[in-house]
Amino acid sequence: NAGVTQTPKFQVLKTGQSMTLQCAQDMNHNSMYWYRQDPGMGLRLIYYSASEGTTDKGEVPNGYNVSRLNKREFSLRLESAAPSQTSVYFCASHRWAAAFTDTQYFGPGTRLTVL
Amino acid sequence: DAKTTQPPSMDCAEGRAANLPCNHSTISGNEYVYWYRQIHSQGPQYIIHGLKNNETNEMASLIITEDRKSSTLILPHATLRDTAVYYCIARINFGNEKLTFGTGTRLTIIP
Repeated sequence: NAGVTQTPKFQVLKTGQSMTLQCAQDMNHNSMYWYRQDPGMGLRLIYYSASEGTTDKGEVPNGYNVSRLNKREFSLRLESAAPSQTSVYFCASHRWAAAFTDTQYFGPGTRLTVL
Repeated sequence: DAKTTQPPSMDCAEGRAANLPCNHSTISGNEYVYWYRQIHSQGPQYIIHGLKNNETNEMASLIITEDRKSSTLILPHATLRDTAVYYCIARINFGNEKLTFGTGTRLTIIP
């Protein structure tokens, strides 16, 4: 049981390049999330997917697109990277349960630098 | 989600109890208090959550005041590995799965 995995761990892009950040979870969770964290800041929600086949914008969606490929995988795409998108990106998944145990599980992060 | 206020930083001696306060004076009746922590650039880790009763698990205790306007996370015997940024979040437990992170409290455990 690997939990939430993210690839790549590190990436350097030039302005205008595109790339896709991959996220997968093996916990059979319905909901998945993409956050970004800038230096010294808390996490900010980019996009989320409450269930397979649905996606919604979070707090800072501009410049990003997402795909919920299946229940396990949720990818984040930067179509034309900008220096302002230099950040650490975290993927998370969530197990909605009627009982008390309601928590998000986070991946290790992708450190992206856009030059 | 209700706004939460935390001190930006705290120190605690190793082996002592670390008490991290959080103010959530505008919390509504159906919002839970959650605590997560983030150890040195890793992904955040869930610690504990509660509604109005005090809660305890293997990691920590959560004390919520009777009026629910504030809470305290207690790490009973802090170790160096507890050095992290701790986030207090108030949110509804269902129907709204998004987490809103503030800047948290940077807790440093002193040897």
